[in-house]
Amino acid sequence: EAQVTQNPRYLITVTGKKLTVTCSQNMNHEYMSWYRQDPGLGLRQIYYSMNVEVTDKGDVPEGYKVSRKEKRNFPLILESPSPNQTSLYFCASSSRGGQGTQYFGPGTRLLVL
Amino acid sequence: QKEVEQDPGPLSVPEGAIVSLNCTYSNSAFQYFMWYRQYSRKGPELLMYTYSSGNKEDGRFTAQVDKSSKYISLFIRDSQPSDSATYLCATTGGFKTIFGAGTRLFVKA
Repeated sequence: EAQVTQNPRYLITVTGKKLTVTCSQNMNHEYMSWYRQDPGLGLRQIYYSMNVEVTDKGDVPEGYKVSRKEKRNFPLILESPSPNQTSLYFCASSSRGGQGTQYFGPGTRLLVL
Repeated sequence: QKEVEQDPGPLSVPEGAIVSLNCTYSNSAFQYFMWYRQYSRKGPELLMYTYSSGNKEDGRFTAQVDKSSKYISLFIRDSQPSDSATYLCATTGGFKTIFGAGTRLFVKA
């Protein structure tokens, strides 16, 4: 089954404790992206990757890091999480960049205390 | 000003009604326009995709883009309770994608 998986699905952590949210896709897509979703603000793009070792900032990259060492994986790293990073995070992949259909993962709900 | 503006609703309609959802955008360079549907506790899924201006129809759904006024619309005919979801408009000029805030729609049986 074609899918995007994210782990963990739910995470409660404390300020400053480094965490990684994993994202994996099995569709051989070149493009992957991370979004955060907050009430009233919709989906905002954090980072995207056009291919292995090629990443670029979205609209809200501050406080986040990404890496793309393999085509299927695109982890999101919060090196020193803060309460304002409490949000619902989605990973997505596409075969044609932002112009193509983006397939979203199930989401990761993060609470930073 | 946000690059894509969308009324968050909520919008409540009776079953069978015609629903009109709308967005405006600011960047005339945007060429690709999408509507995603998001059910509660799920990730968004693509509903409609339009390139440049014009209409596109798929069953009960019609997407409309007016580039002269920078206006994006989604029409749902004969709405069903199963259409109850959040609808997000989106646009892109390439690799970055800009989403609207999403409109919550409730269709009452």
